[in-house]
Amino acid sequence: EPEVTQTPSHQVTQMGQEVILRCVPISNHLYFYWYRQILGQKVEFLVSFYNNEISEKSEIFDDQFSVERPDGSNFTLKIRSTKLEDSAMYFCASRRDNRGTGELFFGEGSRLTVL
Amino acid sequence: GENVEQHPSTLSVQEGDSAVIKCTYSDSASNYFPWYKQELGKRPQLIIDIRSNVGEKKDQRIAVTLNKTAKHFSLHITETQPEDSAVYFCAAMMNRDDKIIFGKGTRLHILP
Repeated sequence: EPEVTQTPSHQVTQMGQEVILRCVPISNHLYFYWYRQILGQKVEFLVSFYNNEISEKSEIFDDQFSVERPDGSNFTLKIRSTKLEDSAMYFCASRRDNRGTGELFFGEGSRLTVL
Repeated sequence: GENVEQHPSTLSVQEGDSAVIKCTYSDSASNYFPWYKQELGKRPQLIIDIRSNVGEKKDQRIAVTLNKTAKHFSLHITETQPEDSAVYFCAAMMNRDDKIIFGKGTRLHILP
């Protein structure tokens, strides 16, 4: 069964450093997402991406964050200058279509620890 | 924007009993309501979903009900088993939007 894959599984970084989290969505999916989950808390929407551009973003997704689909398969989340409060599990997700329904498939997550 | 409230935050039930988790949503335009199960340290996975044109949906021991007028929906798990222990998230999505908003989650403990 096809899966969303994410790398790295865990990254430790110093405050102020740039981090890039990588995702390979399921190949025939058209909608891509990043979500964040601080330990023990809910899954929070960050950004959605369709047709090579951002379609929605939350208040969390400020100027420090950016997303890119540099080629036909990868979907990346960049945090320009990490803060302590960016420590969380970051989930990439994808959906095949957007007819108002459609299962969201999550990757295994990338745990980011900012020291 | 959409806001999803979920309760209880923690629920303990005896094995074999039923569990019910309730959610409310704020935007009447929401029309898709999935439920995700997240086991410790793992990714959320869809267990059941319901669209706004349906009032109830069942899949084996799991059922979801939707009351559009009251803007609330519920997850029912019958004959609970130890493997049902996990965190369950409800969520809502509007057709015109491109995001799924999650509730805060319910940690379900199945007691032996």
